[in-house]
Amino acid sequence: AQKITQTQPGMFVQEKEAVTLDCTYDTSDPSYGLFWYKQPSSGEMIFLIYQGSYDQQNATEGRYSLNFQKARKSANLVISASQLGDSAMYFCAMRETPNDYKLSFGAGTTVTVRA
Amino acid sequence: DVKVTQSSRYLVKRTGEKVFLECVQDMDHENMFWYRQDPGLGLRLIYFSYDVKMKEKGDIPEGYSVSREKKERFSLILESASTNQTSMYLCASSTPGQGARNEQFFGPGTRLTVL
Repeated sequence: AQKITQTQPGMFVQEKEAVTLDCTYDTSDPSYGLFWYKQPSSGEMIFLIYQGSYDQQNATEGRYSLNFQKARKSANLVISASQLGDSAMYFCAMRETPNDYKLSFGAGTTVTVRA
Repeated sequence: DVKVTQSSRYLVKRTGEKVFLECVQDMDHENMFWYRQDPGLGLRLIYFSYDVKMKEKGDIPEGYSVSREKKERFSLILESASTNQTSMYLCASSTPGQGARNEQFFGPGTRLTVL
């Protein structure tokens, strides 16, 4: 069964606007971590933001914030004030314990920022 | 800055050839990973290693083997390359730890084409 589902293959957003990327996950483990990575056309995966399952507040890192809804098992990434450099593929990933080392990735969402 | 390097950005090989993909990290990380990335499938874990000479199979190990003789270096080996192994290969490293962020740091990727 798919552990991470990203239902949006591609999205367009206007520069300076906000965009929300959807991510739902499936786990029966009460302790887990959720990650978002950015992959520009250069290919390198860049870590953006992390949310632990026991964290009380939604994670934020600069223009990135995570809308974590535990009961719905969703961890949507919000990028505020989009920039042209935000055009990339974005991946949601989960680490479950006791499989502590491994990440399960979603299929990714391609974001294109328009000027 | 964590640096993960991969020996080649682009590689073209022929069916049946033995292929070596090399990955080196300079942050003394215990864990190292090999993924393959295919459109619509996200990243899938091939093998990972949590210590020198230690390895574990990931989700898609068939047709691959790995070697970790030194802590900083993790090699992926295609014993007899086939066309269905044409893909982007990503190496990553991380520190161990349970319940903590411990994000994985990725190399730039190797795009392998098997003819």
